[in-house]
Amino acid sequence: GQGVEQPAKLMSVEGTFARVNCTYSTSGFNGLSWYQQREGQAPVFLSYVVLDGLKDSGHFSTFLSRSNGYSYLLLTELQIKDSASYLCAVDTNTGKLTFGDGTVLTVKP
Amino acid sequence: EAAVTQSPRNKVAVTGGKVTLSCNQTNNHNNMYWYRQDTGHGLRLIHYSYGAGSTEKGDIPDGYKASRPSQENFSLILELATPSQTSVYFCASGSGTGGYEQYFGPGTRLTVL
Repeated sequence: GQGVEQPAKLMSVEGTFARVNCTYSTSGFNGLSWYQQREGQAPVFLSYVVLDGLKDSGHFSTFLSRSNGYSYLLLTELQIKDSASYLCAVDTNTGKLTFGDGTVLTVKP
Repeated sequence: EAAVTQSPRNKVAVTGGKVTLSCNQTNNHNNMYWYRQDTGHGLRLIHYSYGAGSTEKGDIPDGYKASRPSQENFSLILELATPSQTSVYFCASGSGTGGYEQYFGPGTRLTVL
């Protein structure tokens, strides 16, 4: 079956970093996307990864291990405004995205 | 810039009534999607479309119909609304398969009483 799992909550401190984990078990896999969703707003695309390893996009970096069904989103130099829900979504070969329930990140001063 | 709009932004309906949610995109994207998001949960795909005239069932299509009369417009229809369909509905467009960036509309908050 299709399953995308994320921890429900994560807390970190301004100026440090946060790692949002995602594990998946799907019958097909083309790649994995990360979206940011602020309270009451629409999701906004952050990154799409296909290849194993770390993809550095500055403030956001993403890691993928296809053999382990695992990805993470790494946010560095955290700011208060990074507080949001982060959604992991698997792109299966059906042309659809299967989303996890999201991780609510709270950045404290 | 990519633009996806939805109407209405808020809707209160009665059980058994018909509800139509509309979505318009000016991105000239072939693919469009309808999702629902319940409090504390991720997005679940209801219906999607690869282009004008096409509609496909997503993961939770029961109780919903979709219509794609043109490249720009994609509607979600609830023929007989039920309280379990109370949710926030997001429309999205994308140029390729699911993994390419999807652009989301602002959402419609639907309450079925």
